[in-house]
Amino acid sequence: VQLVESGGGLVQPGGSLRLSCSASGFAVGANYMNWVRQAPGKGLQWVSVTYNDGTTYYADSVKGRFTISRDSFKNTLYLQMTRLRAEDTAVYYCARDPNTYDYQGAYDIWGQGTMVAVSS
Amino acid sequence: DIQMTQSPSSLSASLGDSVTITCRASQSISTSLHWYQQKPGKAPNLLIYTSSSLQPGIPSRFSGSGSGIDFTLTISTVQPEDIATYFCQQSFSTPITFGQGTRLEIK
Repeated sequence: VQLVESGGGLVQPGGSLRLSCSASGFAVGANYMNWVRQAPGKGLQWVSVTYNDGTTYYADSVKGRFTISRDSFKNTLYLQMTRLRAEDTAVYYCARDPNTYDYQGAYDIWGQGTMVAVSS
Repeated sequence: DIQMTQSPSSLSASLGDSVTITCRASQSISTSLHWYQQKPGKAPNLLIYTSSSLQPGIPSRFSGSGSGIDFTLTISTVQPEDIATYFCQQSFSTPITFGQGTRLEIK
């Protein structure tokens, strides 16, 4: 059971990037899937979630610029990022919320993270 | 948004000590509070979920308690491998928010 992110890199301000998070050992479509980011030397910031019914939520700082989606056939979660800003520079993690009564929103599986750097 | 305030921001302990980290929510979150450990260059790792439930595979020296607004994470006998930063997280409502982290060092 694991998550593996990819797609990070260096991008200019105003540019776009799509992150991928490939899951193995479980179905992304059966869980709540999240993106969480961590700026260099800083704490954790929740970015977005997609529920198994397709409902999505975003942090105010990325609303209108980022789009979360998933492909159940590829068992992969995505984060499309547009109009990137310097303050979006961070390691981006995908994380699973198993959506059970016991866990109540805890993230039990995390990917290794992928670095996004926004700079000219 | 629910603000999560952790204290202390850092602490230094000797091996074998018991340490406690606190997390306070800006409003009641029932028991929708979780604790993570993060080692340098690694992803966070779930330690405690819903305030007091120990994640499988986590040593029993880790424990959590609390409900409503105030929560604690206790490490009963600090080991060298516990050097890390610890974060609390509330999942009571979106946006999901984390505490700012507590860095544990060994004396």
